[in-house]
Amino acid sequence: AQSVAQPEDQVNVAEGNPLTVKCTYSVSGNPYLFWYVQYPNRGLQFLLKYITGDNLVKGSYGFEAEFNKSQTSFHLKKPSALVSDSALYFCAVILSGGYNKLIFGAGTRLAVHP
Amino acid sequence: DAGITQSPRHKVTETGTPVTLRCHQTENHRYMYWYRQDPGHGLRLIHYSYGVKDTDKGEVSDGYSVSRSKTEDFLLTLESATSSQTSVYFCAISAGPGPTTDNEQFFGPGTRLTVL
Repeated sequence: AQSVAQPEDQVNVAEGNPLTVKCTYSVSGNPYLFWYVQYPNRGLQFLLKYITGDNLVKGSYGFEAEFNKSQTSFHLKKPSALVSDSALYFCAVILSGGYNKLIFGAGTRLAVHP
Repeated sequence: DAGITQSPRHKVTETGTPVTLRCHQTENHRYMYWYRQDPGHGLRLIHYSYGVKDTDKGEVSDGYSVSRSKTEDFLLTLESATSSQTSVYFCAISAGPGPTTDNEQFFGPGTRLTVL
């Protein structure tokens, strides 16, 4: 069965330090992977996606993600964290069977401390 | 959240009551989705639509029905609300079928539903 795992419920990082939010996936066929961010009392916002090509994907707000096929991972990264990056982050993958259906990980709460 | 509205934004109801949530989009996107968000589960797909009057079930569809009579509106109905349906409900839209084109989903602001 297709699935997405985010092994960390929460990640704490100091402002200015690099951050990593982890995601691993299990899919049949080619993986089409996404990262979304959710700020308090808001809907999800699209950050970036991997479809094919370069394994390092750049997205909004200075975030990037590295696709690693051998490790079935798609970790979200940022070189220098901001307090305003504090939010809930979701990794997602498109389900096989068409219609662009997504399956999400449970989410990781990122807390950036001044 | 631009181009997608959900109503109501908050609702408290009692067990056994029917409830309808509305998603309205101004983007003219063909594909629409309803998700529920619960702690520890992320978002789970309830139902989706791939065109007017074309809908299908997602992974957690029991107790829910949907209708889409116009491109811009996608309704989610809880026929007889239960406490287990207390959740935050999100609508999403996408322009294309994916997976390699137009596959980003854009989300509405959500509806917080409490079933007492």
